[in-house]
Amino acid sequence: NAGVTQTPKFRILKIGQSMTLQCAQDMNHNYMYWYRQDPGMGLKLIYYSVGAGITDKGEVPNGYNVSRSTTEDFPLRLELAAPSQTSVYFCASSYSGWDQPQHFGDGTRLSIL
Amino acid sequence: AQSVTQLDSQVPVFEEAPVELRCNYSSSVSVYLFWYVQYPNQGLQLLLKYLSGSTLVKGINGFEAEFNKSQTSFHLRKPSVHISDTAEYFCAVSYNQGGKLIFGQGTELSVKP
Repeated sequence: NAGVTQTPKFRILKIGQSMTLQCAQDMNHNYMYWYRQDPGMGLKLIYYSVGAGITDKGEVPNGYNVSRSTTEDFPLRLELAAPSQTSVYFCASSYSGWDQPQHFGDGTRLSIL
Repeated sequence: AQSVTQLDSQVPVFEEAPVELRCNYSSSVSVYLFWYVQYPNQGLQLLLKYLSGSTLVKGINGFEAEFNKSQTSFHLRKPSVHISDTAEYFCAVSYNQGGKLIFGQGTELSVKP
């Protein structure tokens, strides 16, 4: 009963490096989301997808890219890491639209030094 | 701009006491409302949601919330808290019943023995 799986759980990057945060769900959900969580700021939506091949920007997309080639996977790419991208990243999924409960992974804690 | 405000960043309370966590949102014709809970080092879990119908909504773990349209509020309550309720709680709103989910800043509930 995996739900939403995020890898890695922790990562330290140097400024300018790139990496991909992985997210996979096994619930056959159509919608998937990426959020970042900063202390005292709640969660901010980075990108979301309503199905394979369809992605759209959220509130804070700059510096990130996504793709959705399958229903199950929704990776988040950081091309040129910057200190402002130090955060906790959460992937979530839901069966359909914004009225549905979102199921969250346990997060990736990313530090950029 | 559409926003969600959680009026208390931290709420300390003694075990078995009642608690209310406050959430206000921007005025809107129609909204979907959610409360999520986040335990340390975990992702968010849905506590309860309001889509339509009865304004008093019951959720898991003995929590309930009341939708008040005239005051644009959706406060979360529990009559008697346990140590295990210590966590961070997030209010979230989907405006116009289909807009992207917007999260409040979070309220840290600390239950003391």
